[in-house]
Parts: sequence; structure tokens; C-alpha cells
Amino acid sequence: DAGVIQSPRHEVTEMGQEVTLRCKPISGHNSLFWYRQTMMRGLELLIYFNNNVPIDDSGMPEDRFSAKMPNASFSTLKIQPSEPRDSAVYFCASSHPGGLAGGSSYNEQFFGPGTRLTVL
Amino acid sequence: DAKTTQPPSMDCAEGRAANLPCNHSTISGNEYVYWYRQIHSQGPQYIIHGLKNNETNEMASLIITEDRKSSTLILPHATLRDTAVYYCIVTRNTNAGKSTFGDGTTLTVKP
Repeated sequence: DAGVIQSPRHEVTEMGQEVTLRCKPISGHNSLFWYRQTMMRGLELLIYFNNNVPIDDSGMPEDRFSAKMPNASFSTLKIQPSEPRDSAVYFCASSHPGGLAGGSSYNEQFFGPGTRLTVL
Repeated sequence: DAKTTQPPSMDCAEGRAANLPCNHSTISGNEYVYWYRQIHSQGPQYIIHGLKNNETNEMASLIITEDRKSSTLILPHATLRDTAVYYCIVTRNTNAGKSTFGDGTTLTVKP
């Protein structure tokens, strides 16, 4: 498996422009997570999906941010309009279903390489 | 998720064991301890996890105290490539899979 795939790897845009980040989770994983990482705030969970349904979007900073997961193999994070303070590395991660049944189940997250976003 | 406390930074000599502590005094009975690390400019990488027993894999060992209020991640023979930020996470093992990453410990392995 190629792991979690994110595109683009680098994005430079101007303030006010729309930015779309893309993620392809590992096949068979049913949970998908979007994180943002900055020097000031560290690694922050923005939103996560379970079976393509958004479960918790409390980490999404404001209405300019939106995320979708139209199917099990694709997700997008959109920023419209973008602002310089949105500059960060955005990570996507996916995980197995996990669960409480049995002692060997787990919910290890597999992270993608990230998208470095710069908003000028 | 229970709150975790880690030292902000640690140094270790190459070839020696690196012992990274984590306090999680409010851990619940159904919460697991996970360790991840993040090498510069890469996404975080899973290392190991445990519930109450000590665990070992090809990367590291995890020692959890009997009262489960703290744990130690051990890298038995640290190399320069182990220089990274190490995150200790405590979370229920549920289908949600949500984990909260704190500030972690920056481990610097020195030659």
C-alpha cells in the first residue's frame, strides 16, 4: 500500500484565494483525520470522519474552513477565502476501525506527508 | 482523553538507551497509552501502545507502572535518526479513533 496520499505537497497562494487540499486514505481504513501544525499551536485536530461522516468538527477554526469526504477513498479540506494566518502544514491521517472487542484491536493513525501551505 | 505531561526536551548519547517519561495520573481504566514520534518535516509515526502490561516491538519498549499513572518509552539503542518529537497520548480505544497530541518531548540524540 502507498500509505496516505496528500496533494499538493506544497501550495503557495495569495490572501483571498480558495485553497483545496486533498487526501486519499489507506484502503480499508474507515476513519480519516485532518490536522494542522504550526510552531505556535503545535499539532491541532481540525476534523475527523468515521465511515465518511463528519463526527467532530470542533477543531475547525472558522467558517472559512470546510471538509468533505464524498467516498471512502477521498477527502478534501477547503479554505475560502484564505488568510496569511492559515499558513501551516496540514496533515491527513487514517486509521482502522479499532474497537473495544478483543484485546488486540487498536486505532493507530497513519499520517500522510503533509501539505505545506503558504498564504501571502 | 486523559491529560498527559511530558518533559519538553531530552538529550541522549548515540548508542545509549533513551528513556522518555510520561505522566497520565487521570487515566481511566479503559484508556490506552499510545506513543507517536514526528521526525522533522514528516507526519507523525506510530511507535507502540499498551493498556497495562509492558509491551515491546521492533522499535521500542513501553513500561507502564502498576497504577497506570505514568509510563516510559524506551529506545534501547538510540541512533541519530531517532532525533524527533515524541508524543504520549492517552485515549479510549474506540471506533472514533480521535487522539489529542500535546506538546511532546523533543529528543536529541547526540554523537
